Order: sequence, then structure tokens, then C-alpha cells
Amino acid sequence: QVQLVESGGGVVQPGGSLRLSCAASGFTFSSSGMHWVRQAPGKGLEWVAFIRYDGSNKYYADSVKGRFTISRDNSKNTLFLQMNSLRAEDTAVYYCAKDLGDNWNSAGFDYWGQGTLVTVSS
Amino acid sequence: QSVLTQPPSASGTPGQRVTISCSGSSSNIGSNYVYWYQQVPGTAPKLLIYRNNQRPSGVPDRFSGSKSGTSASLAISGLRSEDEADYYCAAWDDSLSGRVFGGGTKLTVL
Repeated sequence: QVQLVESGGGVVQPGGSLRLSCAASGFTFSSSGMHWVRQAPGKGLEWVAFIRYDGSNKYYADSVKGRFTISRDNSKNTLFLQMNSLRAEDTAVYYCAKDLGDNWNSAGFDYWGQGTLVTVSS
Repeated sequence: QSVLTQPPSASGTPGQRVTISCSGSSSNIGSNYVYWYQQVPGTAPKLLIYRNNQRPSGVPDRFSGSKSGTSASLAISGLRSEDEADYYCAAWDDSLSGRVFGGGTKLTVL
């Protein structure tokens, strides 16, 4: 069965950095686009970033562009999110999600991890 | 402020039919597919509808989606207590070159 397990969350000071990981299993990771989606406490979902199956294309939400970098290691079935210049408003549960693959610009996420909490606070 | 607009709340009684709306623009819903998610508090979201009106395997046919112009709707018929959750719409936005979500609708089963 498909499993996505995030790790790397924690408490970080404003301006600091954090690297999230998402270990994937149960599907052909190297053939699947992957996303990061976040949810601030008590708030709605916000799409953060997408990476194509081979890493050749990446898209970012305006709110994180220039500060966050999505990447992947297909040899280790792992997705990453490098987060720099963190702000209080980046505090959220970060989910990795598998792209449905029904269209190049799909907003379909068919499998989700359990999420990892990132808290930006001094 | 979410790019896609949803009502913050909706409610219904068991067995009733409820609809949740999602309003966008020509750059998102008007020219791209709409997707719907269900999120029970404390858990990860679940894909309910893809490509406007398609259900993934395992999703009951009580859930249906539709789209007209720059708006979309999720309908839930035969409402059940376990349908109490938050519901989100999502789509690609051509102007932003990214995916966007609605603000979410909290469904209460009375």
C-alpha cells in the first residue's frame, strides 16, 4: 500500500532554515509528480510546491518562491523541502502528497502523508 | 484571502442533500479541472472528486461534482454523520502558474 512519511519538522527561529523529508513506498516514486501542501493551525489548505517525476520542472506558490526549494532523490524514494528565511506565517503542518497524474497541471493529490509540524517562533 | 471562494459553513440533517459551492475565475475554474477534498479534523485530506465530476475508487456515489463556467459544486446526498468534515475545492490557476485551494467549508450534520 502507498505510504508517505514526513519528517524534519520542529521549532525554528524566524530567519532560520529547516529541511523536510518525505519517504515514499508502495508505488513507483520515480514515475510520480510530488507536492508539498501546508495547513496553518486552524486554517485551510495551501499548496506550496510541486516537482515533476524526474525533477525537471518545479512550481512554487508565490508565498514561498525564492525561499523554499523542492527536490527529490529517486534512488532513495525521498522528497525534500528546503525552507530558508522562515517567517512566523510559515508555521503549519506540512504534508507531502502524490500527484494524481491525470493532467500536467492536475490539482489532484491522491495520497497524503500524516504531516509534520513546523513552528517558527522566537 | 483564498483564490477560490467557498462558504465557510454548511449544514444538513441525516438523509438530506447538501451542496457546497466553489467560485473562481476564468484563470482557474473557468479553464481547468476542479478537484474536491474531504478532511476530518486531525487527519490528512482525502481526494473525493477529480476532473470536475469523477470519483476515485472507494468514494461512495453519494458524492458528486459539477462545474459550470467559473463555478463548481460538490453535492452530498443521503447525508450521514460521518460526512461531518471540512471540504476543499482546488484547481490550477493559469495566472499564478500554480495550484490553488478554496478556503474550505465546514459541514455540520445536525
